[in-house]
Amino acid sequence: DVKVTQSSRYLVKRTGEKVFLECVQDMDHENMFWYRQDPGLGLRLIYFSYDVKMKEKGDIPEGYSVSREKKERFSLILESASTNQTSMYLCASSMGGTQETQYFGPGTRLLVL
Amino acid sequence: GESVGLHLPTLSVQEGDNSIINCAYSNSASDYFIWYKQESGKGPQFIIDIRSNMDKRQGQRVTVLLNKTVKHLSLQIAATQPGDSAVYFCAENRGGGSEKLVFGKGTKLTVNP
Repeated sequence: DVKVTQSSRYLVKRTGEKVFLECVQDMDHENMFWYRQDPGLGLRLIYFSYDVKMKEKGDIPEGYSVSREKKERFSLILESASTNQTSMYLCASSMGGTQETQYFGPGTRLLVL
Repeated sequence: GESVGLHLPTLSVQEGDNSIINCAYSNSASDYFIWYKQESGKGPQFIIDIRSNMDKRQGQRVTVLLNKTVKHLSLQIAATQPGDSAVYFCAENRGGGSEKLVFGKGTKLTVNP
């Protein structure tokens, strides 16, 4: 079974803090993705990575950065958290290729005060 | 804009009935589709997928139908159970070499005992 884990299920941070969300997959997948999910807006892609040290902006990259130093780990960084970044953050991974399923982690619910 | 959508935002069924959840897409080049189930507070879980060279695919109690003529995708759940209560959403790969998915906003299925 594919397993995608995220470092925290719930996180509370203050405005201006630097926030790190970690994601690890154990299936040797090439691709990893970070989404945020908000009511009424569905899943929106923040960044994705198709290889170690490679990244590509998604639809809403502003205010976020990512790091992929190892194949199994993909980190999402909020450089200076703001209240509008309160959301559910979901990590996913997939094998390389265009017709591949993305497998999701359990999500991190982030509250920025 | 969002092209993967749903005909109904909510669906309520009786336990034991069959459920049908619909999804429309607008990109005729889309070549891969996935249905996900998301329970409250959890990450999306893969249910079933279908490639554009197929019209139908069956899994355990679930069937996905793809009608490329009208760009319509449906998920049928047989003998719906209370554990099937969740939000279901479809995702499409739009082809052209992209490894990204576009997600619909979801249909909330409620199964009444």
